[in-house]
Amino acid sequence: DAGVIQSPRHEVTEMGQEVTLRCKPISGHDYLFWYRQTMMRGLELLIYFNNNVPIDDSGMPEDRFSAKMPNASFSTLKIQPSEPRDSAVYFCASSEHGTGTYEQYFGPGTRLTVT
Amino acid sequence: DQQVKQNSPSLSVQEGRISILNCDYTNSMFDYFLWYKKYPAEGPTFLISISSIKDKNEDGRFTVFLNKSAKHLSLHIVPSQPGDSAVYFCAAKSGGSNYKLTFGKGTLLTVNP
Repeated sequence: DAGVIQSPRHEVTEMGQEVTLRCKPISGHDYLFWYRQTMMRGLELLIYFNNNVPIDDSGMPEDRFSAKMPNASFSTLKIQPSEPRDSAVYFCASSEHGTGTYEQYFGPGTRLTVT
Repeated sequence: DQQVKQNSPSLSVQEGRISILNCDYTNSMFDYFLWYKKYPAEGPTFLISISSIKDKNEDGRFTVFLNKSAKHLSLHIVPSQPGDSAVYFCAAKSGGSNYKLTFGKGTLLTVNP
């Protein structure tokens, strides 16, 4: 089975532009997570969904960030407008309820650079 | 405020010896702990976990120990292999039905041949 798929792998954009990151979770997983990794703050949770419904968005930094999950196999994280401080690696992860281990499977990440 | 801390940014060990990675936490509501390994340009991969009701869990060369009274956990790798060289993250799950994981900042392990 394919793992978590993220696109694009790299994104370079100019300040003020809209950026959309995409994620396809593992089939059958009912939880989806968006993380951001920076040198300063490490790996931090932005938002997570259960059965396509946002459960906890307390990590979303500000209104410029939004996330959607229109169906069980697709999610987007949008930044509009983007700023240089948004430069980071963004990871998507998914997990399956009921396994008892709370293990999350991560995608390869999208490296975002905002100039 | 960092609720999960990995105080050693890096650790270097010789092949065949034991690697011990440490993690401290402050939130007594955490009820599940996980270790992840991360290679450059890849996402973190799950390694081993432990419930707060246990004090030890073993999987092959990897053992995780939990000391709840000290709010401390450690990952032991025996014997260490060069392929174990990676960044290791400690993560903790909030209690109850909340699936949120809080991660430490990671420890870079280098295993020298």
